[in-house]
Amino acid sequence: EAGVAQSPRYKIIEKRQSVAFWCNPISGHATLYWYQQILGQGPKLLIQFQNNGVVDDSQLPKDRFSAERLKGVDSTLKIQPAKLEDSAVYLCASSFRRESEKLFFGSGTQLSVL
Amino acid sequence: GNSVTQMEGPVTLSEEAFLTINCTYTATGYPSLFWYVQYPGEGLQLLLKATKADDKGSNKGFEATYRKETTSFHLEKGSVQVSDSAVYFCALNAGKSTFGDGTTLTVKP
Repeated sequence: EAGVAQSPRYKIIEKRQSVAFWCNPISGHATLYWYQQILGQGPKLLIQFQNNGVVDDSQLPKDRFSAERLKGVDSTLKIQPAKLEDSAVYLCASSFRRESEKLFFGSGTQLSVL
Repeated sequence: GNSVTQMEGPVTLSEEAFLTINCTYTATGYPSLFWYVQYPGEGLQLLLKATKADDKGSNKGFEATYRKETTSFHLEKGSVQVSDSAVYFCALNAGKSTFGDGTTLTVKP
């Protein structure tokens, strides 16, 4: 089966610019996650969707980050405006259902903010 | 809130050495526990899991036992190979997944 698809693979922007990341989960997976992984740290959950509804966005910096999952399939994460500290790998993951133990990860988008 | 604490790295071993990477957790309720692995240049992938106390997860020669009394889920392998060089993440799922900071393992020939 096809895995979790993410694009772009790499992105370099200047601070105060905007950027968007795209994710297409595994077909049939109801739950979609966006994680931020700063170098040397573990993934930190930004937002969790169940179908097209938000389950948890408690750690999403809502003044600059936004995410949507229209139609309950693919998702977009946006940062506007970007700050230097946003430099990280942004990981998308999906699972069959919310309480499903196993997460399937995409390869991530490496963002560098200069 | 929930948290996962992993043994700090990096860890460097010779081929065929015994591996232990410690992991302890704090969580309400009864979480499922996981080890994920990230090989160089690749995405995170599940290595093994355990869903209840005293369960043992195993895969590719790696093992970990869910110890509720010590809130631990230590990863072990009896004889590591160069191909095991990777970053290992301990994680729990109690409705949402929480990850440790990862332990980098380097195995030298």
